[in-house]
Amino acid sequence: EDQVTQSPEALRLQEGESSSLNCSYTVSGLRGLFWYRQDPGKGPEFLFTLYSAGEEKEKERLKATLTKKESFLHITAPKPEDSATYLCALGGNDYKLSFGAGTTVTVRA
Amino acid sequence: KAGVTQTPRYLIKTRGQQVTLSCSPISGHRSVSWYQQTPGQGLQFLFEYFSETQRNKGNFPGRFSGRQFSNSRSEMNVSTLELGDSALYLCASSLAGNGYTFGSGTRLTVV
Repeated sequence: EDQVTQSPEALRLQEGESSSLNCSYTVSGLRGLFWYRQDPGKGPEFLFTLYSAGEEKEKERLKATLTKKESFLHITAPKPEDSATYLCALGGNDYKLSFGAGTTVTVRA
Repeated sequence: KAGVTQTPRYLIKTRGQQVTLSCSPISGHRSVSWYQQTPGQGLQFLFEYFSETQRNKGNFPGRFSGRQFSNSRSEMNVSTLELGDSALYLCASSLAGNGYTFGSGTRLTVV
């Protein structure tokens, strides 16, 4: 069965203090590793899809990378508006996403 | 381009009642999937439909059911509601399984 583990559970950063979130996974057939951002009371907002080891994608202050066993979401010089829960999910061959528990990021001004 | 629309946004139901939630996918998307989100269990897969056919179902009791119509709109139904069914129910639509767009969800509270 697909397994996704995210760490840390929570991250408190000072504005401008860069950091990384980890997503470790095991999957039988990877169709994509997805990153989402979720604000309280809202649905997850799509950020990135990564398909193969070595792939990287960037969007503003966020950069996602993928290896055969884990993915990282790097947040460079974060701002308070980057505060959210970041979710990692596996897309397998079974038409579903398997989500990790998420990392809640709080950025203080 | 309109996103995924879920209705209603909020619901309060009594134990033992049943409830129907609705999801309209992005135009052209034929895959619709449903997820339950709770603080304790996180996001858990309920089921996925493509062209009116259920292709996968998560580990939920038979009280949870769904369907998809010919216009790709989907509904999910929960019968004999329990307190533990209180959750945020999320719908996602996809064109080809390479990107899932979520709606804002329906917050169900069972009292």
